[in-house]
Amino acid sequence: EIVLTQSPATLSLSPGERATLSCRASQSVSSYLAWYQQRPGQAPRLLIYDASNRATGIPARFSGSGSGTDFTLTISSLGPEDFAVYYCQQRSNWPLTFGGGTKVEIK
Amino acid sequence: EVQLLESGGGLVQPGGSLRLSCAASGFTFSSYAMYWVRQAPGKGLEWVSGISGSGGITYYADSVKGRFTISRDSSKNTLYLQMNSLRAEDTALYYCASGACSGGGCYSYFQHWGQGTLVTVSS
Repeated sequence: EIVLTQSPATLSLSPGERATLSCRASQSVSSYLAWYQQRPGQAPRLLIYDASNRATGIPARFSGSGSGTDFTLTISSLGPEDFAVYYCQQRSNWPLTFGGGTKVEIK
Repeated sequence: EVQLLESGGGLVQPGGSLRLSCAASGFTFSSYAMYWVRQAPGKGLEWVSGISGSGGITYYADSVKGRFTISRDSSKNTLYLQMNSLRAEDTALYYCASGACSGGGCYSYFQHWGQGTLVTVSS
């Protein structure tokens, strides 16, 4: 099973700041990695797939990069609706696995 | 508009069974792989099971293999999860999700999600 480790666990930032979230895989997943956003009380939302492709309707301030074992989600300027928990997920190998999440909170 | 509506959750005793359903609309159901993902209270996301568009291929997490069965009925646009031998650690919000398709390809990501149905396993 591929283990995904997200860091930091919590990121405290102010609106307008840049957020950089990390996801590290226990073995290479090529570019087969996605990012999701989950706001409190809501279902997750797909943001990025295959490491760097924005899903339909996702604003350009969200970007993804990386390949192999190291990946980054960047939010260029945090809006009030971006304070949420973010998860990475790999599809390289079964079982599909998620990282433990990074909470982006208001500083 | 894509809609996924889960039902069938509830309180069940350890060792009991439940059948979850997910009614899909707004897309060509038979063209998409479908999945169940769960989230224990206050915890992260855990993939549970998946099924191909045709229903011919199924996948399970080790934690539920042999106890849970995923199926689909394309005539009813409905996904199911039969859960047997339930344990306390199966307590979670269970989400139904569709696979992601883009540029002619479909991938094992979760593009559309329902709001979830809560399963509580307790005596």
